[in-house]
Amino acid sequence: GQQVMQIPQYQHVQEGEDFTTYCNSSTTLSNIQWYKQRPGGHPVFLIQLVKSGEVKKQKRLTFQFGEAKKNSSLHITATQTTDVGTYFCAASNQAGTALIFGKGTTLSVSS
Amino acid sequence: EAGVAQSPRYKIIEKRQSVAFWCNPISGHATLYWYQQILGQGPKLLIQFQNNGVVDDSQLPKDRFSAERLKGVDSTLKIQPAKLEDSAVYLCASSQRTGGRNYGYTFGSGTRLTVV
Repeated sequence: GQQVMQIPQYQHVQEGEDFTTYCNSSTTLSNIQWYKQRPGGHPVFLIQLVKSGEVKKQKRLTFQFGEAKKNSSLHITATQTTDVGTYFCAASNQAGTALIFGKGTTLSVSS
Repeated sequence: EAGVAQSPRYKIIEKRQSVAFWCNPISGHATLYWYQQILGQGPKLLIQFQNNGVVDDSQLPKDRFSAERLKGVDSTLKIQPAKLEDSAVYLCASSQRTGGRNYGYTFGSGTRLTVV
């Protein structure tokens, strides 16, 4: 079945450093979404990417969708303690089908 | 707008007992999902509803899990009998009508199930 692989599993940074998490699939994706889950919380939708090569920004967060639509990345510039949590990519290979989630990257930030 | 409502928040049961979870999605969201999230892992799809019809239940362990969405609004997920490995957070999510494209999911706070 479809799988999305996410790396790294864990990342610890000092406040102010940058952070990147990567998501890869062996199959071409219809779309990819990113979610953030704070400790003890539930996943919260961040963004959806649909087009090949698409780049979207939300303040310090930059999201990219690969040209082949098989990979994606989330980059956070100058991390803050409020960025702590687990970031999940979720994808489907056909529009309208349910999302398959990666295992997530857990980010910790020390001040 | 009101979020996705789930109850109960926590449940502790003994193995072989039964348990039910309830979910009320965002008003107007035609698509409803149940996901299982085991500690340290990503959410795993159990079942997807479109209105009151099942779209995908391929990963639902049908020998012990059942789900329904009778009137196309709220939904219940049942486990009978429960096993130790069912200990997890059960997340309900809803999204706008899929109709050939995907929308972001809104998740509820989840029900944390502990089977002892």
